[in-house]
Amino acid sequence: DAGVTQSPTHLIKTRGQQVTLRCSPKSGHDTVSWYQQALGQGPQFIFQYYEEEERQRGNFPDRFSGHQFPNYSSELNVNALLLGDSALYLCASSYTTGVVVTDTEAFFGQGTRLTVV
Amino acid sequence: AQKVTQAQTEISVVEKEDVTLDCVYETRDTTYYLFWYKQPPSGELVFLIRRNSFDEQNEISGRYSWNFQKSTSSFNFTITASQVVDSAVYFCALGFQKLVFGTGTRLLVSP
Repeated sequence: DAGVTQSPTHLIKTRGQQVTLRCSPKSGHDTVSWYQQALGQGPQFIFQYYEEEERQRGNFPDRFSGHQFPNYSSELNVNALLLGDSALYLCASSYTTGVVVTDTEAFFGQGTRLTVV
Repeated sequence: AQKVTQAQTEISVVEKEDVTLDCVYETRDTTYYLFWYKQPPSGELVFLIRRNSFDEQNEISGRYSWNFQKSTSSFNFTITASQVVDSAVYFCALGFQKLVFGTGTRLLVSP
């Protein structure tokens, strides 16, 4: 049973460009959360997707957007990249029953390391 | 607002020593989870434990143990008889549907 998978593992982009990161949740999970981890810091919550809609959002600008597909996989898009967007981007998956989230953040992917130059 | 404080930035121990990583949290929520994760140099966050706010029982798993005290808003993590493979950054986190992480404690275990 595959866990949470993210692609690509590494990415180098130029300032001002746009980037798309992808995440496939663990089998049986329907909720995907994205986190940004800058060097030397703890992960920070970007947003969470459930039923193809953004359910919660952290304190990130609108340049950060996402999408969830019918198969529960998700994309994180970042527009107009800044040098400060260089970070490890982590995806976590969980399962929602009604309003109850199960397996909350027990499963993280290996992350995508984004470098903006 | 929720907050997690890991005051220990870096801890160095010699193999077989016991080590305790501290975690203090702030929240107004009555229902929340507390977590500990291990992050090796590869970058992946490895889940260690999740505790429900209503369950204050301490937990032991092999060489790992956790002490959850609501009265002091602490959720400390102890590694007994540390090993070199325990070297990593350890994060404490708080939340329910989304997590707030501490800044992490880097543990260096030397032979």
